[in-house]
Formats: sequence, structure tokens, C-alpha cells
Amino acid sequence: GAGVSQSPSNKVTEKGKDVELRCDPISGHTALYWYRQSLGQGLEFLIYFQGNSAPDKSGLPSDRFSAERTGGSVSTLTIQRTQQEDSAVYLCASSLAATTTQETQYFGPGTRLLVL
Amino acid sequence: GIQVEQSPPDLILQEGANSTLRCNFSDSVNNLQWFHQNPWGQLINLFYIPSGTKQNGRLSATTVATERYSLLYISSSQTTDSGVYFCAVTLNFGNEKLTFGTGTRLTIIP
Repeated sequence: GAGVSQSPSNKVTEKGKDVELRCDPISGHTALYWYRQSLGQGLEFLIYFQGNSAPDKSGLPSDRFSAERTGGSVSTLTIQRTQQEDSAVYLCASSLAATTTQETQYFGPGTRLLVL
Repeated sequence: GIQVEQSPPDLILQEGANSTLRCNFSDSVNNLQWFHQNPWGQLINLFYIPSGTKQNGRLSATTVATERYSLLYISSSQTTDSGVYFCAVTLNFGNEKLTFGTGTRLTIIP
């Protein structure tokens, strides 16, 4: 596709339920990132994938958060037992592989998650 | 960790005015990007500028890495320029995770 796509666009869930957020990166981009944007915390990094591996998970806020990437393409961010403080916009970005050079990140439109 | 501060936090201007947005960072960085987040929440790349000066139409940016700041210039502002402008930095090769600044909310009044 032309850009990074994310689904669903919006998700409303009840506290305690599990949710899955999906990201389709730009074709050929091997690096994939998840970020979260919330009112109180601004834009913050969650996890970074290079291919199917996640060398940096340092931004995941708790063990209720997990992510995987399959086939070096699609990634899923899963939040278990959602809490109201998980309400935020979850953004995905992708870029060309970057081990010795710098590459621009391109962002998807985000998934707006509301936990009631 | 690295601190990224942007100023001013809010800016309200008349259409046609010029503006300068500033991004200060507390440590050496390998990369710096400027983004515009439109009213629908989409983050749009403006510049990839770890150092030097770049121009794209009415927008230009300058990064002085040795002094740890970057400036974004917007000339002849239009209402479509409204939104939040973020700078974001990366520290290391091989892991491009972005640390975002606090943002500048720009409102252009017709």
C-alpha cells in the first residue's frame, strides 16, 4: 500500500477486556515501531521491531502489553485486561532497515482506544 | 533520558504571518525529525534534519547539532498550517525509536 495502515480506527471497550490493534507497514519496510499518544504523557515509544524480532521493548508500560510481528510485515499490539489509563491513540510507524544509516519514520493514522 | 523541549507551547497568528518554532534537546542526537499533526491526528513528516538547513516551499528548518537546537520556520501562514508541530530525536544507529518533544500548537486565524 501507499502508506502505513492501522485497524481499527476506533475501539471502545470495557475495563478488563482484551484488545488487539493491527498495523500494516509500508511494503519493504523492515523496521516497525509502536507509539502511544495520551493527554497526560504526550507521544511515547512502546516497542521496536526489526524484522520479526523486538530488540527494544523498553516502552511497554506493563506486562499486560505485548506485541508480535509475523512475516516481517503485519504487527499486532495486544492489551490484556484493559484499564482506563490505557485510553489513548496508538500509533504505528515504519521505516527502511536502519543499522548504519538513518531513515525517516512514516506514521499510520492511529487507533483511538477508549476504555470505559 | 534525553529531554526534548519545544517553544512556544501555543501560538496564535493571523493568516499570512511568519513564525519560528524551536526545539531544544539535552544530549547529542543522531537524527531529528519535524512532524505536523493535523486536526485529524495524522502525523505528517516535514523534515528529516540531523544537521544543516532544508527548505520545502513555505517551510524551512535548521538544526545546529553542536548547540542542541532546531528551528522550524513557517512563512506566509495558511489556515491549513494549523495543528501541533512536534520535533523528535533519535540517539542511536540501529534503533530509531523517536523521543518526541512537547509540541507547539499553532492556530492560524483567517
